[in-house]
Amino acid sequence: DTGVSQDPRHKITKRGQNVTFRCDPISEHNRLYWYRQTLGQGPEFLTYFQNEAQLEKSRLLSDRFSAERPKGSFSTLEIQRTEQGDSAMYLCASSSFLGNTEAFFGQGTRLTVV
Amino acid sequence: GQNIDQPTEMTATEGAIVQINCTYQTSGFNGLFWYQQHAGEAPTFLSYNVLDGLEEKGRFSSFLSRSKGYSYLLLKELQMKDSASYLCAVRSTYSGAGSYQLTFGKGTKLSVIP
Repeated sequence: DTGVSQDPRHKITKRGQNVTFRCDPISEHNRLYWYRQTLGQGPEFLTYFQNEAQLEKSRLLSDRFSAERPKGSFSTLEIQRTEQGDSAMYLCASSSFLGNTEAFFGQGTRLTVV
Repeated sequence: GQNIDQPTEMTATEGAIVQINCTYQTSGFNGLFWYQQHAGEAPTFLSYNVLDGLEEKGRFSSFLSRSKGYSYLLLKELQMKDSASYLCAVRSTYSGAGSYQLTFGKGTKLSVIP
C-alpha cells in the first residue's frame, strides 16, 4: 500500500462548473477525513466518515459540497457551481479505528476556479 | 469552540536547536499532534501527545501541558531539509459522536539557514 491517494492532483475549472475529487485511503483504515487548506493557513476540517457513514460535517461544508463513501473504501468530494472562493488544496486523510493513531494525509487536489 | 496559536515564522541556524510553541483552547481535549508540511506537499505526522510530558523521537521531541493548554515541538541538530511549515493540531471528542477531527493552527514556517 502506497498510502492515501488522491485524484486529480490539480484541477482548473471555470466558475459555475461542478468538480469531483476522489480519495483512496490506506486499505485497512476505516476512518476518512476531508480537509481544505488555503495558502498560509492550516488545514480546515470539512467532513469525516467512519466506514460508509458520514458522521460529521463542518459548517464550512455548504450545500454546494457533498461527500460520499459508498462502500466504506474510496470517497468522493463534489463541489457544485464552483466559486472563486473554493480555490484551495483539498486534502484527504485516513486513520485506523484502533487506538489513538495519527491521520495519514494524501498529496491533495489543488483546485483553481477561474 | 477551539483556538490554536503558534508563531507565523521562525528562522534558525543549521545544527542548532529550535523550539516551536503552540497554545490552544479547546473543549474535550483528546490529543495534540504535530505535523510537518513542505511547500506543496501533504502534511506528515511527527508526534502525538495526550498526557503531560515529553515525547522524544530522534531529533524531534514534543511536550504537552494540558493544564496550561501548551505544547512545544523541539527540533535538534537542525538540517536544511527541516525547512518547512510545522502544524500544531488538537483533536477533540464530543460525547456520543466520537468525533476525531483535528483542528489545526495556521502553521509555523521554519527557515533553516547555513
